[in-house]
Parts: sequence; structure tokens; C-alpha cells
Amino acid sequence: NAGVTQTPKFQVLKTGQSMTLQCAQDMNHEYMSWYRQDPGMGLRLIHYSVGAGITDQGEVPNGYNVSRSTTEDFPLRLLSAAPSQTSVYFCASSYSPSGELFFGEGSRLTVL
Amino acid sequence: AQSVTQLGSHVSVSEGALVLLRCNYSSSVPPYLFWYVQYPNQGLQLLLKYTTGATLVKGINGFEAEFKKSETSFHLTKPSAHMSDAAEYFCAVSPQGGKLIFGQGTELSVKP
Repeated sequence: NAGVTQTPKFQVLKTGQSMTLQCAQDMNHEYMSWYRQDPGMGLRLIHYSVGAGITDQGEVPNGYNVSRSTTEDFPLRLLSAAPSQTSVYFCASSYSPSGELFFGEGSRLTVL
Repeated sequence: AQSVTQLGSHVSVSEGALVLLRCNYSSSVPPYLFWYVQYPNQGLQLLLKYTTGATLVKGINGFEAEFKKSETSFHLTKPSAHMSDAAEYFCAVSPQGGKLIFGQGTELSVKP
């Protein structure tokens, strides 16, 4: 099993550009989420989904959009990149919001 | 509101010494509690979790944690550190059925 797959692993953007971070899981998990990790701040929840067609905001949603058209995929869109969005992004999935989270390997984004 | 505090952003121990990583939480309802580990350039993986029942929880790689409701703590311990334990450790809390909230992380260094 592949588990949770994130692409790309590395990306450099210029301020104002848009992009999509892809996330796919093959465990048939209903719950998927996106976190950003910044030094000294742990992981902060950006958006999450409890099933196809259902998404909601986390702690730091501004500047990001998500959609969930299938159980497997949960892409994260940056609408107009800003330097403050320089971070490492993790996608995670679980059978429930409070169950064990399975993480992807991360996507390191730099916004110049 | 739920929150997690990890005492000490960096802990250094000698190989063979006791590992103690501290975690305190606040939650308005009985929580689920988790410890995750992150090795360099990887995603997080579950070490152990507490939901209900026995308050001493055993995890992978010889780690264990004890839920102490009176102290609102869930400290992580390992009797004897190995070089391979060097990593970042995250405590997380979930109000029952809710989303995980992560602490800021503690980086563990192991000296030979």
C-alpha cells in the first residue's frame, strides 16, 4: 500500500502565483486533513474533510482552498502565494477525526 | 478551548539514560491523547495513544506514557535512550470525536 502520497515534494513560487498541492490516499479513509508545520509552532490545521463533498476550515485557513470530490483525493490550493505561506505542508488521513492520523512525507514550499 | 503544552522545545540525553518528554493539556471534555514522532525529512508516525481504560499506555520502540487526569498530563518516557530515538516528538489532544490539536514539539537529541 502506498498510504498517503503528496506531490510535489518541493516547490518554489513567486509572490502572487497560485498552485495546488496534491494528496491521495489508498486506505479508504473518510477523514483527510492538511497541516502546515513551522518551526516552534507544531502542526496547525488548515482545512479538513470528513468525507467526499464535505470540507471545513481549521485553525489557519486564510489563503487556502480545498475540495473533496472523491474519497481518495484532497488537493490544497494556494490562491495567491505570499511569503508567509513558506512552510512544510502535510496531508493526513484517518478513519475518524480522532483516530490515528497517517501522514504523507510532506511538501516543502518556498514563496519568494 | 483545547490546548497542548510541551515543556522544553529541546531535550538532550545521553545514550542509555532515561527519556522524559513532558506534555500537559487542557480539555473541556475527557480527551484522547497521542504522541507522534517525526524523523528528519519525514512525516509523523504514531508512537502511542490513550483513549479510555488503562492509564499507562505502551507504544512502539519501548516508549510509554501515563495519563494523569489530576495533573492534566501525558508525559512520554523511555527507560534507556538509543541513538535512533533522536527525532522530534509531538503530543496531541483530541476532544472525543474531534480534531487533533498538536503541541509545539520537542526535539530529542541523544549523545553517545
